[in-house]
Amino acid sequence: AQSVTQPDIHITVSEGASLELRCNYSYGATPYLFWYVQSPGQGLQLLLKYFSGDTLVQGIKGFEAEFKRSQSSFNLRKPSVHWSDAAEYFCAVGSSGGSYIPTFGRGTSLIVHP
Amino acid sequence: GAGVSQSPSNKVTEKGKDVELRCDPISGHTALYWYRQSLGQGLEFLIYFQGNSAPDKSGLPSDRFSAERTGGSVSTLTIQRTQQEDSAVYLCASRLYTGELFFGEGSRLTVL
Repeated sequence: AQSVTQPDIHITVSEGASLELRCNYSYGATPYLFWYVQSPGQGLQLLLKYFSGDTLVQGIKGFEAEFKRSQSSFNLRKPSVHWSDAAEYFCAVGSSGGSYIPTFGRGTSLIVHP
Repeated sequence: GAGVSQSPSNKVTEKGKDVELRCDPISGHTALYWYRQSLGQGLEFLIYFQGNSAPDKSGLPSDRFSAERTGGSVSTLTIQRTQQEDSAVYLCASRLYTGELFFGEGSRLTVL
């Protein structure tokens, strides 16, 4: 069964600092990987996705993520955080075969200090 | 529609009552999902509809939960005899062919 681990429940950064949110997954084959962002009272918005090909993927709002098969990781990065980036971030994995039911991590809450 | 629409956005009910939550997916999307998000938790899968196939109900937590999808479009999630532990945000998502899900804003259910 597929699973996702986001080891950090909360991350606090200063505005303008760089950011890395960690995500580790467990899946036997090549996974589909996603990062979503959720602002308070809102649904989830897709930031970026990886299906195949280039392991460094660019997303919206200046985010990027790198797929590292050897480490089973898909960490999210941003070089300079803005106060508006404060939100909950979810990593998700989807199977490339069978019944397609994406599994989500528990989320990382990003707090941005001015 | 332009996005996934869910109603009601907020629902407060008394323990033991039945509730219905509605999801209107993006037009043309063939797959529809229901997830539950409890406070401080991630997303818990509930049920998945794909085209005309039988739904995958493997995530439903008890037989008090059921869902249907009419005409391959609108879906209703029904919770019978609600319990306090059912309090959560219920998220609906739809998908076309690619792997990403498009989410609605959710229905927040509070059971008193």
